[in-house]
Amino acid sequence: EPEVTQTPSHQVTQMGQEVILRCVPISNHLYFYWYRQILGQKVEFLVSFYNNEISEKSEIFDDQFSVERPDGSNFTLKIRSTKLEDSAMYFCASSEALPDFYSNQPQHFGDGTRLSIL
Amino acid sequence: AQSVTQLDSHVSVSEGTPVLLRCNYSSSYSPSLFWYVQHPNKGLQLLLKYTSAATLVKGINGFEAEFKKSETSFHLTKPSAHMSDAAEYFCVRMDSSYKLIFGSGTRLLVRP
Repeated sequence: EPEVTQTPSHQVTQMGQEVILRCVPISNHLYFYWYRQILGQKVEFLVSFYNNEISEKSEIFDDQFSVERPDGSNFTLKIRSTKLEDSAMYFCASSEALPDFYSNQPQHFGDGTRLSIL
Repeated sequence: AQSVTQLDSHVSVSEGTPVLLRCNYSSSYSPSLFWYVQHPNKGLQLLLKYTSAATLVKGINGFEAEFKKSETSFHLTKPSAHMSDAAEYFCVRMDSSYKLIFGSGTRLLVRP
């Protein structure tokens, strides 16, 4: 079964450094998402991406964050100047299409990247 | 705001006994609801989804969920727990802009 793959599985970075988290969505999927889960808290939405542009972003997704689909397969999340509070598990997800009333298209998730900011 | 509430942070059952993980959603005309499972050090795996075609939804690994509009609930059940079911379970809804809203999760412990 096709999978969403994320690399690296664990990233340790010094505060203030830039970090890029990488994701390869399922190949025929068109919609891409990033979520994060801070330890002990809920999984929360960061951003959605379609047709090479951001569809929606949360309040968390401020100017230090950016997303890109640099080629036909990768989908990246960049954090420009990391802060201690950016430490979290980051999940990439993709879906084939938007849901309609009769068929909720689910989002398929990768295994996540655990980001630790020192 | 659209939300989901998972009523139990932890549920502990014995192997072979039924599982009930509770979820309530805030009222909406037609909620899009899902259950995801997360095993240790793994990603979020879709268990099942509510499509409005049927109120009883069957998922993978013997799990099912019943959509009850009168109770605004979407509880997850399994007749007989297996050790491999030990994981964290998330009740999730999709909001009007197609992003997922997660519940706080329920950690299922299965005792031998």
